[in-house]
Amino acid sequence: SQTIHQWPATLVQPVGSPLSLECTVEGTSNPNLYWYRQAAGRGLQLLFYSVGIGQISSEVPQNLSASRPQDRQFILSSKKLLLSDSGFYLCAWRRPLKKETQYFGPGTRLLVL
Amino acid sequence: GESVGLHLPTLSVQEGDNSIINCAYSNSASDYFIWYKQESGKGPQFIIDIRSNMDKRQGQRVTVLLNKTVKHLSLQIAATQPGDSAVYFCAETLMDTGRRALTFGSGTRLQVQP
Repeated sequence: SQTIHQWPATLVQPVGSPLSLECTVEGTSNPNLYWYRQAAGRGLQLLFYSVGIGQISSEVPQNLSASRPQDRQFILSSKKLLLSDSGFYLCAWRRPLKKETQYFGPGTRLLVL
Repeated sequence: GESVGLHLPTLSVQEGDNSIINCAYSNSASDYFIWYKQESGKGPQFIIDIRSNMDKRQGQRVTVLLNKTVKHLSLQIAATQPGDSAVYFCAETLMDTGRRALTFGSGTRLQVQP
C-alpha cells in the first residue's frame, strides 16, 4: 500500500529565516506530486506540482520554491520567510495516467513570527 | 488543534440524521469531482469521487450527486455519526490537462450533535 509522509509536523520560524519542508511517498513509482497551502478557515491553494524528477511547475508567484531531487521526494523551500507564509502545508500524490484522486499527507503547520 | 474552518459555513445535524453538504463548482468544463473530509489538524481524506458522465454514485453511507446543468455537487451522508464531524471539501478537475491539479471549494464544517 502507498503512504505519504511529511515532516516536520509543526514548525515555528522567525521572519527572514529559511524553510525546508519535506514530503516522501512510499509504495508507488513516478507519482505526480503536489504542494498546497491552507490558510486558517480557507480551502486549499495549489502552490507547485511535479510530474517527474526535476520537473516543477509553479501555480502562483510567491516567496516559496519547490524541488524534486528524487522520484518520491518533494521539498518546499524558502530563503527568507514572510509572516504571510504561515499556514498549513499539505503534500499530495497521484498515480499518473490513472484516476485523478489525490491522496494527502498529514500536513505541516508553519507559524512565522 | 488545526484552526481549519474558522470562517466556514457550518451544518449542524443530530446523530442518526442524514446530512447533505452542497458545493457549487466553478468550471463548466470540469469532468471529475471528489469529496474530501478533513479532520482538525489532519490532511484531507478521500471520501468519494464521480465523473461527469454520471449523475449519482454511492459508497458506504455516502452518496454524491452531480448536476452539471447548474454546476452543483452534493454529498449525502446517511445516519450521520459523531465521527463524521469534520470539514468537507469538494474538488473539481479537468482530466485532459497535463497538470491534473484539483480546484477546491471553500469547505463546509459538519457538526454532529449527540
